[in-house]
Amino acid sequence: KAGVTQTPRYLIKTRGQQVTLSCSPISGHRSVSWYQQTPGQGLQFLFEYFSETQRNKGNFPGRFSGRQFSNSRSEMNVSTLELGDSALYLCASSLMGASYNEQFFGPGTRLTVL
Amino acid sequence: QQQVKQSPQSLIVQKGGISIINCAYENTAFDYFPWYQQFPGKGPALLIAIRPDVSEKKEGRFTISFNKSAKQFSLHIMDSQPGDSATYFCAAIGAAGAGSYQLTFGKGTKLSVIP
Repeated sequence: KAGVTQTPRYLIKTRGQQVTLSCSPISGHRSVSWYQQTPGQGLQFLFEYFSETQRNKGNFPGRFSGRQFSNSRSEMNVSTLELGDSALYLCASSLMGASYNEQFFGPGTRLTVL
Repeated sequence: QQQVKQSPQSLIVQKGGISIINCAYENTAFDYFPWYQQFPGKGPALLIAIRPDVSEKKEGRFTISFNKSAKQFSLHIMDSQPGDSATYFCAAIGAAGAGSYQLTFGKGTKLSVIP
């Protein structure tokens, strides 16, 4: 069974630009969650999508948005990039959502904002 | 507000020794406590998890101890090996409404096991 895949793996952008990251969950998984990982703040929850609906959102500004498609693939978008958005963005998939279901993480997309 | 506090930030252990990582939480609504292991260039992977009605869970060399009254839990790695060198995250899961559950992570402990 293929794991969670994320594309691209690395991205360099400049301040003010926007970026779109993609996540393909494990086949059959309907929940996709996104996390931002930085050395200072650790892993912080961005949002969760389930059956194409955003079910939960973390404490991030509106510049961070996402969506999920009918095949459960998900994208997240960051507009008007700031230097502080430089981070590893991880997505995780699970059958129904975190709960007692294991979340499987992808390798992440490393975003650098210059 | 950091809801899950993890210590230490970094840990160096001799091969064969015991590695101990501690976490404390504040929200009594958390009802599941997983530990994740992350190697460089990889995403976190579930290592072991415990429910709050259990005081200890052991899987191979990895043991979680849970103290519900103190709102603390810890990971013990027995007979630590160089291959265990990674960053470890404790986490807590709680209901977030609308059928959603949310993982809240500690800030991580970088473990180095030296030969």
